Amino acid sequence: DQQVKQNSPSLSVQEGRISILNCDYTNSMFDYFLWYKKYPAEGPTFLISISSIKDKNEDGRFTVFLNKSAKHLSLHIVPSQPGDSAVYFCAASAGGSNYKLTFGKGTLLTVNP
Amino acid sequence: KAGVTQTPRYLIKTRGQQVTLSCSPISGHRSVSWYQQTPGQGLQFLFEYFSETQRNKGNFPGRFSGRQFSNSRSEMNVSTLELGDSALYLCASSLDSGGAMDTQYFGPGTRLTVL
Repeated sequence: DQQVKQNSPSLSVQEGRISILNCDYTNSMFDYFLWYKKYPAEGPTFLISISSIKDKNEDGRFTVFLNKSAKHLSLHIVPSQPGDSAVYFCAASAGGSNYKLTFGKGTLLTVNP
Repeated sequence: KAGVTQTPRYLIKTRGQQVTLSCSPISGHRSVSWYQQTPGQGLQFLFEYFSETQRNKGNFPGRFSGRQFSNSRSEMNVSTLELGDSALYLCASSLDSGGAMDTQYFGPGTRLTVL
């Protein structure tokens, strides 16, 4: 049973435009959500996180939106840059401990120059 | 500050053998978690160690085990290797300050191939 789902395996965007990556979850106990970026042959790199007490968190070009009623979160990248091309993982944790992360299967973002 | 390091980076073993992977966390980080990444299942949580004790465990068989040393370095062991154990094994460390949510920082992983 996949508790965190990223339904789009891939996304292609033009440089300078907005990239929107989506993530759905089923476990209502999840209270902390994170996005990681992964390049080939490297480990995931932390991007941005959001607690369930918020509905938006911004960090530079990256914004994460959380809709608890829909059990949905999204990552917006504006403007998209070719260096953003990577696999993006959505992750969630429950119960105040982020040491056990449940990951989605990832979305491959390609930003075309 | 140096990041999370994992050794070896690549490993080839045969079925039935056992393997030990090593992880050195970021200096000062006290929690170490292990994940398995496969094309079919994605990233799955194996276990987490803090103060030399396993604090959280995922849904993996007992063939997968780990330990943490007093300097927070961690090892994971897989016994009686199966073909399906071929994967990228990732280690992540976090501060565990006991306050706000900590971020997990990942190492580059160990690519294990079982023949």
